[in-house]
Amino acid sequence: QQKVQQSPESLTVSEGAMASLNCTFSDGTSDNFRWYRQHSGKGLEVLVSIFSDGEKEEGRFTAHLNRASLHVSLHIREPQPSDSAVYLCAMNNNNNAPRFGAGTKLTVKP
Amino acid sequence: EAAVTQSPRNKVTVTGGNVTLSCRQTNSHNYMYWYRQDTGHGLRLIHYSYGAGNLQIGDVPDGYKATRTTQEDFFLLLELASPSQTSLYFCASRMGWGSAETLYFGSGTRLTVL
Repeated sequence: QQKVQQSPESLTVSEGAMASLNCTFSDGTSDNFRWYRQHSGKGLEVLVSIFSDGEKEEGRFTAHLNRASLHVSLHIREPQPSDSAVYLCAMNNNNNAPRFGAGTKLTVKP
Repeated sequence: EAAVTQSPRNKVTVTGGNVTLSCRQTNSHNYMYWYRQDTGHGLRLIHYSYGAGNLQIGDVPDGYKATRTTQEDFFLLLELASPSQTSLYFCASRMGWGSAETLYFGSGTRLTVL
């Protein structure tokens, strides 16, 4: 089955500095990719979905997909302390089940 | 508004105990999933189903059974609970596929096995 690796495990950035998170996957069969955010003790909130190579922007969140290199990334512009959370990437293909990465814990310092 | 309801919210049991986690969705979605979430592992797929009576094995199925009794109801069964199954369990249903896919998550069940 599709394996999803996220890096880094944890990341600390200062408020206003760009935060970049990465996800690699094991094969190219997935056709939809999503980034979720999970605040401590809360549920999952979808931030951005991307389905083709290139870039997809949703507010301060931008996802980049490169299927050839089996890589999808998330960039958070001007992060705020309220963005401190665990970020999960997920991918799926048609009638399979979504697989998630292990998550990146982001801390944004004021 | 799609809704997925999990029960109970919290459960404490002892090693060897019998536990059933319940999940109900009222949106007639075909696909339903059970995940467990542990620090450092993200969400790991236990079992899933694409309709009443159907069951698909996930990535971490050992020690778990599941049953989809109706379109709405998906149960996760731990017949001999072990401390390694202490975790936060999420149920989800799926609407659409591909670019139209949307997952709806329940609020989670926190299970502690002593």
